[in-house]
Amino acid sequence: EDQVTQSPEALRLQEGESSSLNCSYTVSGLRGLFWYRQDPGKGPEFLFTLYSAGEEKEKERLKATLTKKESFLHITAPKPEDSATYLCAVPKGYGGATNKLIFGTGTLLAVQP
Amino acid sequence: DTAVSQTPKYLVTQMGNDKSIKCEQNLGHDTMYWYKQDSKKFLKIMFSYNNKELIINETVPNRFSPKSPDKAHLNLHINSLELGDSAVYFCASSHQPGQRNSPLHFGNGTRLTVT
Repeated sequence: EDQVTQSPEALRLQEGESSSLNCSYTVSGLRGLFWYRQDPGKGPEFLFTLYSAGEEKEKERLKATLTKKESFLHITAPKPEDSATYLCAVPKGYGGATNKLIFGTGTLLAVQP
Repeated sequence: DTAVSQTPKYLVTQMGNDKSIKCEQNLGHDTMYWYKQDSKKFLKIMFSYNNKELIINETVPNRFSPKSPDKAHLNLHINSLELGDSAVYFCASSHQPGQRNSPLHFGNGTRLTVT
């Protein structure tokens, strides 16, 4: 069964303390892996798409990497405004459409000043 | 200049009532979706429309009926509301499925509370 698992469920960091979030997946024929950020009371906001093992994408303090079985979201020197829930998702093919996203349950990140 | 907008933001209603949620996108996307986020923050797809045609219909009770009058609008009507329908419902849109670089863009959700 296609599945996306994220760890840890929650992470508390001090400002400037770098760390990584993990997303492992079991889908056949990966057609990309998406990272989203969700703030309280808001919808998920798109961050990155990764398509092949070895690919990396960066945005400010965030860097996403992809292997054949998992993806990491590295957060370098985080700031309090990086506090949010980070979600990863993979598309599952559905009658030719590949935008049926299977989401993980997210990692709730809290960065304390 | 909101990209994906949903109304209402909050909806509190009693069991047995019928309610609707509206969604509009101004991104020029062809495909729109409804997702449900439960109390544990788990997001699950309910429906997807591509250019007004239903292409994804997950195992959702018949009480839920989506309607897409045009490719910029997707509404969700819910009949005979039950306590278990309480959740946050997100509308999203994207370019044609199957295209690379076609991430979903989400609205800010409608928090439905059934009492």
